[in-house]
Amino acid sequence: ELKVEQNPLFLSMQEGKNYTIYCNYSTTSDRLYWYRQDPGKSLESLFVLLSNGAVKQEGRLMASLDTKARLSTLHITAAVHDLSATYFCAVDMVSIQGAQKLVFGQGTRLTINP
Amino acid sequence: GAVVSQHPSWVICKSGTSVKIECRSLDFQATTMFWYRQFPKQSLMLMATSNEGSKATYEQGVEKDKFLINHASLTLSTLTVTSAHPEDSSFYICSARSWGGTADGYTFGSGTRLTVV
Repeated sequence: ELKVEQNPLFLSMQEGKNYTIYCNYSTTSDRLYWYRQDPGKSLESLFVLLSNGAVKQEGRLMASLDTKARLSTLHITAAVHDLSATYFCAVDMVSIQGAQKLVFGQGTRLTINP
Repeated sequence: GAVVSQHPSWVICKSGTSVKIECRSLDFQATTMFWYRQFPKQSLMLMATSNEGSKATYEQGVEKDKFLINHASLTLSTLTVTSAHPEDSSFYICSARSWGGTADGYTFGSGTRLTVV
């Protein structure tokens, strides 16, 4: 069964600093997603990564995918308070029965302090 | 882009009653929708996959008779929590798979916070 693991699970950082969230998954997949969740809200799509070596950037966030290592990273550059949220990675998989579904990591709760 | 509407946003019900949550794809047809449950400070757990015109596929450990799923059209799936109990209190989120272009991927509803008293 596919497992998706994120680390760290909790991250407290200062504004202006850089940091990286890691997402490892256990079986092959050709799609990986990053989502943001604010308290009490649903998920907001950040990135879809479709192939090995894919890199996408939006503002201070950059995501990459290494399918050979089964690893994705979400890099935060010069963090600002507005980026405080919980970040999830999720991997697309097809079950033995042929059904497609997303499997989520545990989430990384990011707090950015002034 | 693809939009999924979920209602209600929050609901409070008494123990033993049933609650229905609706999930609609507004600008695309969704043959498959997904229902998740999220407890505080935890990740999303897939409960079931809703298939238009056929029975839902439930994940291991999810009670089919308690969480009734109906997907009668290409734009609407409903989740009914039957005989709700306080332990069913949670945040329920639906999503739908859309294909092609910038909308390719999974779109999530806004979620329903269920409180059973």
